[in-house]
Amino acid sequence: GENVEQHPSTLSVQEGDSAVIKCTYSDSASNYFPWYKQELGKGPQLIIDIRSNVGEKKDQRIAVTLNKTAKHFSLHITETQPEDSAVYFCAARRYNNAGNMLTFGGGTRLMVKP
Amino acid sequence: NAGVTQTPKFRILKIGQSMTLQCTQDMNHNYMYWYRQDPGMGLKLIYYSVGAGITDKGEVPNGYNVSRSTTEDFPLRLELAAPSQTSVYFCASSLRGTNEKLFFGSGTQLSVL
Repeated sequence: GENVEQHPSTLSVQEGDSAVIKCTYSDSASNYFPWYKQELGKGPQLIIDIRSNVGEKKDQRIAVTLNKTAKHFSLHITETQPEDSAVYFCAARRYNNAGNMLTFGGGTRLMVKP
Repeated sequence: NAGVTQTPKFRILKIGQSMTLQCTQDMNHNYMYWYRQDPGMGLKLIYYSVGAGITDKGEVPNGYNVSRSTTEDFPLRLELAAPSQTSVYFCASSLRGTNEKLFFGSGTQLSVL
């Protein structure tokens, strides 16, 4: 089955700096890669996703890049703000015609220091 | 529009006890899921449902049961609680299964002592 590794497990940055979180996946047939943000005491929320037919996607201060050859994808947050502090999860999905079977990484706790 | 609602938020069980975690969604989503979140381990899929009357196992189904009698509700049943089931449980839903955004509830923190 699919295996998703996420690094680092914790990341501390100064407000205004950039943050990068990296994930690798094992199944070359995976074709959908979402990123979820989990704030304290809440459920995860989708912040951005990318499909295997594109290499990069951007939405304001966040961007995701995908390298299918190397089987890794990354989340980039620029101009970080204190409200970006949360746990971030990457995920990968292989279409199997039986549901949205996502495999999640272990999560990255991002702390943005004011 | 409440989205996905889970109850209870916290629960402590003794080994061998049973309980049901409730989940309901008001978005008329076809797909519903139960995940468990262990520290540093990400989310693992327990069970999912693609519609009323249809359920299927995920990665870690042992010790759990589900039912889906209506589109709105997807309860998760623990029959004989074990310490290994101490975790945070999230219910989620999506309109369709393929490449769809998941909407998560706020979670149930369960401790089995």
